[in-house]
Amino acid sequence: DTGVSQDPRHKITKRGQNVTFRCDPISEHNRLYWYRQTLGQGPEFLTYFQNEAQLEKSRLLSDRFSAERPKGSFSTLEIQRTEQGDSAMYLCASSPDRGPGEQFFGPGTRLTVL
Amino acid sequence: AQKITQTQPGMFVQEKEAVTLDCTYDTSDQSYGLFWYKQPSSGEMIFLIYQGSYDEQNATEGRYSLNFQKARKSANLVISASQLGDSAMYFCAMREVYSSASKIIFGSGTRLSIRP
Repeated sequence: DTGVSQDPRHKITKRGQNVTFRCDPISEHNRLYWYRQTLGQGPEFLTYFQNEAQLEKSRLLSDRFSAERPKGSFSTLEIQRTEQGDSAMYLCASSPDRGPGEQFFGPGTRLTVL
Repeated sequence: AQKITQTQPGMFVQEKEAVTLDCTYDTSDQSYGLFWYKQPSSGEMIFLIYQGSYDEQNATEGRYSLNFQKARKSANLVISASQLGDSAMYFCAMREVYSSASKIIFGSGTRLSIRP
């Protein structure tokens, strides 16, 4: 399978705990994106990487959120001191440098904070 | 600020009929791209079709076509000969080329249900 993969697919945690999600993009894609999707809404942009550089961050990305892409391949999204409002689907996407910019999404990680 | 509006929260369509999903957008950029994504109950976002703001012809991909009316700022998705597997959430989205080259802004979606 050469699509975008995400791990884990589901995560249940208690409020106040830290969680980390991983995303493996399509191998030849240099651009990587994180989105958050709550029930009944479209995905909301969180952050964007060009190779290992984090070039854009949404105001939605509070201080408790941090994302990395250390070698320009896979990326991690960490949420510290989780809150119930963090419960959502976290989607990762990647795209090539060239072309119209369509993004290819992974299956997502569904986070439930109790 | 850029914005995507989908005014149909849900639609029911008989199998084999054509269906049009509405999308209007707002942007001050002259160069932008419009996308439609499908999200089945499994959760994965599936790219369907793309229309560039300078494309003169409407985009088509198999049973999907995009009815692009630039002056009205609308980008409706047309699905011909609907199938049961078309039942899903459909999201219209936009990317501005110059002001924000990276992120895609999504609408709130339309839930399409196909009746057998």
